[in-house]
Amino acid sequence: AQSVSQHNHHVILSEAASLELGCNYSYGGTVNLFWYVQYPGQHLQLLLKYFSGDPLVKGIKGFEAEFIKSKFSFNLRKPSVQWSDTAEYFCAVNVAAAGNKLTFGGGTRVLVKP
Amino acid sequence: EAGVVQSPRYKIIEKKQPVAFWCNPISGHNTLYWYLQNLGQGPELLIRYENEEAVDDSQLPKDRFSAERLKGVDSTLKIQPAELGDSAVYLCASSSGTVAKNIQYFGAGTRLSVL
Repeated sequence: AQSVSQHNHHVILSEAASLELGCNYSYGGTVNLFWYVQYPGQHLQLLLKYFSGDPLVKGIKGFEAEFIKSKFSFNLRKPSVQWSDTAEYFCAVNVAAAGNKLTFGGGTRVLVKP
Repeated sequence: EAGVVQSPRYKIIEKKQPVAFWCNPISGHNTLYWYLQNLGQGPELLIRYENEEAVDDSQLPKDRFSAERLKGVDSTLKIQPAELGDSAVYLCASSSGTVAKNIQYFGAGTRLSVL
């Protein structure tokens, strides 16, 4: 079974700082990769996804992620964060051959100080 | 377009009591999921429905948990009896299909506290 690891449980940074959140998965086959975000008091929503093609994908609100197959990684980045990026971020994976069964990482709680 | 609707948002019960959660998926979404999210962790799949059929319930603790989706639209998840360790957020999600590229859309969740 696949598993997903997010290395940082909590990140605190100031506005305008750059953000990078790590995500590694364990599965050797074809995977689809997702980042979901949960703003305070709101539901989980999709930030970006990778299915195939260009390994650098861009999502909403200036976020991007890079799929590095050799490292089994799908790290999330934003060059300059805003206070409104305060949220919890979840990396998720599903295995193409196993249908739409998402496996989530433990999440990273990001606090952006104004 | 309305999103995934869950109710109630919060529920507080005493241990050994029954509890039920309701989910209405996005219109036209035939696949429905129930997830459990413990504090500080990511969601974990409990059960997945394709229309009214439970196609993956391997992670559902069947001694106390049950779920149904009788008409292939809304769904109910029940716990009877509840235990202290069931305190968590119960999330419902839906997608328009079961292919891995179908995006799952989540509801706001029901936060259960068992006292």
